[in-house]
Amino acid sequence: DGGITQSPKYLFRKEGQNVTLSCEQNLNHDAMYWYRQDPGQGLRLIYYSQIVNDFQKGDIAEGYSVSREKKESFPLTVTSAQKNPTAFYLCASSEGQSGTDTQYFGPGTRLTVL
Amino acid sequence: AQTVTQSQPEMSVQEAETVTLSCTYDTSESDYYLFWYKQPPSRQMILVIRQEAYKQQNATENRFSVNFQKAAKSFSLKISDSQLGDAAMYFCAYRIPYSGNTPLVFGKGTRLSVIA
Repeated sequence: DGGITQSPKYLFRKEGQNVTLSCEQNLNHDAMYWYRQDPGQGLRLIYYSQIVNDFQKGDIAEGYSVSREKKESFPLTVTSAQKNPTAFYLCASSEGQSGTDTQYFGPGTRLTVL
Repeated sequence: AQTVTQSQPEMSVQEAETVTLSCTYDTSESDYYLFWYKQPPSRQMILVIRQEAYKQQNATENRFSVNFQKAAKSFSLKISDSQLGDAAMYFCAYRIPYSGNTPLVFGKGTRLSVIA
């Protein structure tokens, strides 16, 4: 089955720790995205990547980092510089270069800071 | 900057009835795409319907249809014959069709309850 997987489903972080959220897709999509969802805030863009080895900051990139070494994978690291990381994180991907391309989402990771 | 506004934080509908969720957006672009996504309690984001701004005809997907008013920058979602499974958060989203894959801009969502 084709799709987007995110792991882990739940993640707990202690203060001062870096943690990495995994996102993998087997849809052969060029572009991948990370969004953060807080209650009452909708989804906000953290980072996105249109092609391997390239990525751009979104609206709330501070305290986060990403890499795109493989087409299938777009991991997100939440660093200790992110002051309020408790949130739900959603990864998405889309097919090609057309503006009509639909974004498909993974099941999400819930991150909680202890 | 593009913004998307959903003015109804919560809505409710009786089963089998019809409900309309509102969405307005702000943009200076003439060509763009609009989406409605559904997020059920599982929190998986599911595409409900998509509308291209250059098309005058309103998009329809089974019980879901939109009322797209380009001049008013309005994009409402109508759900007909509401079912218990329609209960979810609904997000309106906007996307510019530049070359390359541009991200979505989301509204804050409307929580829809369906009453049996």
